[in-house]
Amino acid sequence: GAGVSQSPRYKVAKRGQDVALRCDPISGHVSLFWYQQALGQGPEFLTYFQNEAQLDKSGLPSDRFFAERPEGSVSTLKIQRTQQEDSAVYLCASSVGGSSAYEQYFGPGTRLTVT
Amino acid sequence: AQSVSQHNHHVILSEAASLELGCNYSYGGTVNLFWYVQYPGQHLQLLLKYFSGDPLVKGIKGFEAEFIKSKFSFNLRKPSVQWSDTAEYFCAVNAGQAGTALIFGKGTTLSVSS
Repeated sequence: GAGVSQSPRYKVAKRGQDVALRCDPISGHVSLFWYQQALGQGPEFLTYFQNEAQLDKSGLPSDRFFAERPEGSVSTLKIQRTQQEDSAVYLCASSVGGSSAYEQYFGPGTRLTVT
Repeated sequence: AQSVSQHNHHVILSEAASLELGCNYSYGGTVNLFWYVQYPGQHLQLLLKYFSGDPLVKGIKGFEAEFIKSKFSFNLRKPSVQWSDTAEYFCAVNAGQAGTALIFGKGTTLSVSS
């Protein structure tokens, strides 16, 4: 079956532009996570959805970051007025259940470069 | 706050050498522990996980890890590495509560020469 997919795979934005990153989780997966991975670092948590409800957004670095999952499947991470420090790989992961004991399946990521 | 430390940033081994990658975490409660691997050009994949029970867990491709609660450690081992094990390895932890995110270490790059 299909895994987690993300688009675009690469995005170059000029400082100040808005960007939207898309995640298609594995069909039927309840939980969806967004992570940010800077160069040479491990992924860092941004936000978590259970179905359409955003249950944790404590990792979003500023109010320029916004995520949604309106129908409980596809999710979009939006970054407004991008800054150079937003350059990173943005990873999406999904898991079948709501418990932390379920494996998270990761997508290939979107590499965002802000110039 | 939870944190994960991976002791080695870059490990270089020859084929057939034994591997041990260190991982320590800081969290006093019940945790779930994971090792993920990222092969060149590929996405993160789960190698193995520990939730409860036998502290020695076996994963894919001959990897195993041992949970030592008293040391807050979850070291990854493989008795004999192959060139195809060249990858970046991440240790991760989450608390035993619903919906909590993974906390990752910074990763260890393993280079295996043939």
